[in-house]
Amino acid sequence: AQSVTQLGSHVSVSEGALVLLRCNYSSSVPPYLFWYVQYPNQGLQLLLKYTSAATLVKGINGFEAEFKKSETSFHLTKPSAHMSDAAEYFCAVSVSQGGKLIFGQGTELSVKP
Amino acid sequence: EAQVTQNPRYLITVTGKKLTVTCSQNMNHEYMSWYRQDPGLGLRQIYYSMNVEVTDKGDVPEGYKVSRKEKRNFPLILESPSPNQTSLYFCASSGTSGRIYEYEQYFGPGTRLTVT
Repeated sequence: AQSVTQLGSHVSVSEGALVLLRCNYSSSVPPYLFWYVQYPNQGLQLLLKYTSAATLVKGINGFEAEFKKSETSFHLTKPSAHMSDAAEYFCAVSVSQGGKLIFGQGTELSVKP
Repeated sequence: EAQVTQNPRYLITVTGKKLTVTCSQNMNHEYMSWYRQDPGLGLRQIYYSMNVEVTDKGDVPEGYKVSRKEKRNFPLILESPSPNQTSLYFCASSGTSGRIYEYEQYFGPGTRLTVT
C-alpha cells in the first residue's frame, strides 16, 4: 500500500529565507509524486510533479523538489520565501494511471515579514 | 479555459435531507474523482470513475453515491447526510493530452458542506 508522510503540520519562515517542506512516501512500485498548493478558500493547484523523468523537478513560483529513491523522499524547496507563499502544501503519490492520489496530511506554511 | 466546476460552493443542510453536489469538467478527461478534506487528515478519496458508467470506491465511500452517465459530469450524492459528513469536498479530473496520459489531477474550487 502507498502512503505519504509530511513532516511538520506547520512551518514558519521569515521572508527571504529558505523554504523546506518535507515529504516521505511509501510505495512498492515506482511512484508518481506531486506537490499541490492550496491558498485560503481555494482549490488545489499543482506546483510540480515527478513522473520518472528528471529527479530534480522545477515547478511554478520558484519551487522545486528532488526525488530521492534511496531516501523515499520528495522534499519541496524554494530558495527565498515570499509573503505570497503562505498557504497549505500537500504532497501526494499515485501509482496508477487515473488512480487515486494519496495525500499527506498537509503542511501550513507561514511567512513572517 | 480548462476547468473543473462544482456547485454549490457552500451548502448547509440538515441530517437526512438528500443532496447532490455537481461536478463538471471541460477537458474531455476520462478519469474523475471525489475527495473530502478534513483538518489533519489531508484529502481522502471517496469515489473515482475511469470512464462513463465505470466507477469504484475510494478510501471513504460509506454514505456516498456517484454516477457517471456523461463523460463530463460526475455528481456526488448524499442520500441521507449525517453530521460526520460535514467537510470540504473536491472534485478532480485527469486524462490524456494527445496520446500522453497526464498524471496530475485538476481540482475544482471545492464545496463546503455543513450538516446539522
